[in-house]
Amino acid sequence: QVQLVESGGGSVKPGGSLRLSCAASGFTFTEYYMNWIRQAPGQGLEWISSVSYSGAQILYADSVKGRFTISRDNAKNSLFLQMNSLRAEDTAIYYCARAINAYQSWFDPWGQGTLVTVSS
Amino acid sequence: DIQMTQSPSSLSPSVGDSVTISCRASQNIDTYLNWYQQKPGEAPKLLIYAATGLRSGVPSRFSGSGSGTDFTLTIISLQPEDFATYYCQQSYTTPTFGQGTKVEFK
Repeated sequence: QVQLVESGGGSVKPGGSLRLSCAASGFTFTEYYMNWIRQAPGQGLEWISSVSYSGAQILYADSVKGRFTISRDNAKNSLFLQMNSLRAEDTAIYYCARAINAYQSWFDPWGQGTLVTVSS
Repeated sequence: DIQMTQSPSSLSPSVGDSVTISCRASQNIDTYLNWYQQKPGEAPKLLIYAATGLRSGVPSRFSGSGSGTDFTLTIISLQPEDFATYYCQQSYTTPTFGQGTKVEFK
């Protein structure tokens, strides 16, 4: 079955870095855009980044542009999010999610999420 | 960015009731509107795609309607497992979500 499993979350101090991973299985990874979406504690959902099938097209939300880097390894069916210069407001559950395209598409399925806490 | 506004923010229906959740876009998004359900401690799950498409496996008591800027999620005969938070999301441009509507026990 289609499955997405995130890992790499944890606690980090402001200004620190963290790398998240998302392992995909049960589908042809190269046929889908992949996305990171986050949810601050008790808050709503915020899309933060997407990467195209080959990795050539990348989009970021303004809130993370210049600090976060999305990438994928199609040989390993894996998605990554390198997070640098972390701030308290980056504290959230980070979900990876599959989509058919960058736009005019939908997120399905989502992984179970990994919690990132930024605190001194 | 396109702003998505949901109403109401919360509601407290009873089992068996019909529920309607509204979602308004700040500009025309055609039918590029999706609905998700999220239960506490779980990841969101897709219910409705492209405004009216029912995701495979989702009960037929869920339905979506609308186009342009105004959209609706309807749940007919609410079941106990439907108590959750519902989010709309536009995919016309850079994805944005509504703030959520919590459907909770009365």
